[in-house]
Amino acid sequence: GAVVSQHPSWVICKSGTSVKIECRSLDFQATTMFWYRQFPKQSLMLMATSNEGSKATYEQGVEKDKFLINHASLTLSTLTVTSAHPEDSSFYICSASGRYNSPLHFGNGTRLTVT
Amino acid sequence: AQSVAQPEDQVNVAEGNPLTVKCTYSVSGNPYLFWYVQYPNRGLQFLLKYITGDNLVKGSYGFEAEFNKSQTSFHLKKPSALVSDSALYFCAVRAGVRGSYIPTFGRGTSLIVHP
Repeated sequence: GAVVSQHPSWVICKSGTSVKIECRSLDFQATTMFWYRQFPKQSLMLMATSNEGSKATYEQGVEKDKFLINHASLTLSTLTVTSAHPEDSSFYICSASGRYNSPLHFGNGTRLTVT
Repeated sequence: AQSVAQPEDQVNVAEGNPLTVKCTYSVSGNPYLFWYVQYPNRGLQFLLKYITGDNLVKGSYGFEAEFNKSQTSFHLKKPSALVSDSALYFCAVRAGVRGSYIPTFGRGTSLIVHP
């Protein structure tokens, strides 16, 4: 099946620093990538949708200047958390999709802890 | 706007018994329905999907789901539960017009299978 690689799996950083999370589709071309945030025992919160070569579409309430998303190719999307604060600590998950009626293929997530 | 409802936060079942995890949806247009499973600190894994055709779809690990258009439901089932099935299960729908097939997820149902 389709594989999505997400790195790093966990990261600890200090307040004020920036963290980059990579999401790669290894064996298919991802037309669209979605970035989610998940709080403990809660569902997925969609942060943004990105299509290759175009600007990401952010959901309401998500700061686009804080959560920078780049989708430079059909196999790579990155999420950069800029000037991280403790409240940004969370589990971030990327997913990639081909056709509109295809299932999403998820990365294994990144546990971000900001101290 | 599309929505997905998983009415149960938690489902408890004894090993060997049949299990059902409920999902209902609301969309405009034809729905594409999916079930995913999430193990602790991992991304989501695709279980099965309904796109068109037979209302009963079979997926990974012995799971199946039945699409019921009149009841707008897509319940996940398994004839005989295993302890290893214990995880968080998400129902999702993709539907829309003009390529806006952004997936909507239910809030998740925690399945606990007791030995």
